[in-house]
Amino acid sequence: SQQGEEDPQALSIQEGENATMNCSYKTSINNLQWYRQNSGRGLVHLILIRSNEREKHSGRLRVTLDTSKKSSSLLITASRAADTASYFCATDAGGTSYGKLTFGQGTILTVHP
Amino acid sequence: DGGITQSPKYLFRKEGQNVTLSCEQNLNHDAMYWYRQDPGQGLRLIYYSQIVNDFQKGDIAEGYSVSREKKESFPLTVTSAQKNPTAFYLCASSIGTGHSTDTQYFGPGTRLTVL
Repeated sequence: SQQGEEDPQALSIQEGENATMNCSYKTSINNLQWYRQNSGRGLVHLILIRSNEREKHSGRLRVTLDTSKKSSSLLITASRAADTASYFCATDAGGTSYGKLTFGQGTILTVHP
Repeated sequence: DGGITQSPKYLFRKEGQNVTLSCEQNLNHDAMYWYRQDPGQGLRLIYYSQIVNDFQKGDIAEGYSVSREKKESFPLTVTSAQKNPTAFYLCASSIGTGHSTDTQYFGPGTRLTVL
């Protein structure tokens, strides 16, 4: 079953603007990960945030996690045309689901030059 | 040059035929995974293996089979029992057992089309 749900489904912005994508999930998690997929390619890992962390940064990426609301957001600052891709959140529920990731439907980001 | 490879990139199959998708990794990872992706959708887990000679069903295992005879290899067979096999198939690997926060590394994918 799909645990993560991303919002919005599609986002179109101009180069230089910030892009924010949200992810909601239903059950408790060990960690939440964000991945990027260019059209027709495999996924590339962007960032992982553990359940006891609230915010994490990596370059132009900022991820927040609110476990009380079961939600996460991915912020891409100063976007570039090369950021155009689909972005997925994935949750690791741990326990009997150890090692398994459950992916959301993804947000399609288009950055116009 | 470490990584995870999938072959072929494109695969065409006639209805009623079984077909095997290859996945190889030289990252020395214990865990390997197979996902299916349909247009505009997220990934759904087909099978996963945490260690050699062991594997578990994911969320949509019906019509698929796997083997894990070697650490480096995790082939997926799409059988004729799979009702709607046309999709993009992604293989991934991760460090595996004992690491509770595994990042998964993905191959480039195989696009399977049933004619």
